[in-house]
Amino acid sequence: QKEVEQDPGPLSVPEGAIVSLNCTYSNSAFQYFMWYRQYSRKGPELLMYTYSSGNKEDGRFTAQVDKSSKYISLFIRDSQPSDSATYLCAMSAASGTYKYIFGTGTRLKVLA
Amino acid sequence: DGGITQSPKYLFRKEGQNVTLSCEQNLNHDAMYWYRQDPGQGLRLIYYSQIVNDFQKGDIAEGYSVSREKKESFPLTVTSAQKNPTAFYLCASSIWGAGTGANVLTFGAGSRLTVL
Repeated sequence: QKEVEQDPGPLSVPEGAIVSLNCTYSNSAFQYFMWYRQYSRKGPELLMYTYSSGNKEDGRFTAQVDKSSKYISLFIRDSQPSDSATYLCAMSAASGTYKYIFGTGTRLKVLA
Repeated sequence: DGGITQSPKYLFRKEGQNVTLSCEQNLNHDAMYWYRQDPGQGLRLIYYSQIVNDFQKGDIAEGYSVSREKKESFPLTVTSAQKNPTAFYLCASSIWGAGTGANVLTFGAGSRLTVL
């Protein structure tokens, strides 16, 4: 079993839709959770960073962490064609660590 | 603007050749990393370095080598011993230590290596 599971997609939605992207994990020691966006042939860029459980909102993006279910989500409201990218979840157990576990990424297509 | 510069963006290599990928950062980050990205797989750590003149193997270090002679630079050499080197290589950096931001990786734009 992989430490982090992420549906690869592709996920196609119409412009303006609410998008839900998810990752499940098995290691209860994970405390730091990140979402990265990666455009084709580019490096990942950080979208959201969350510590422990709870919600965090930044503009059209909301990150949720449910540690009891070992489940994290990224919601995108009012999705735009420019949101079309691969979204990677990542997590680590400690601050100041080299060990980050990445999901395989979900490809999102927002149709105009 | 601060960031990470990787070069070259595209690289072709014949079998049996060593190639070196460049990674330079001006973020004043202590830690630097090399990841490999393959379709259908999460990013896999090749090497990382917390300080100058020190580096550690990651999960898939075989067939790769690195150096860290300057804080800003962390070049990766893909040697002929790497059996399947065709991949997208990503360099990253971060603050090292406890506190907010210590777990935030900043990535370069990547280098795509193709073995002919």
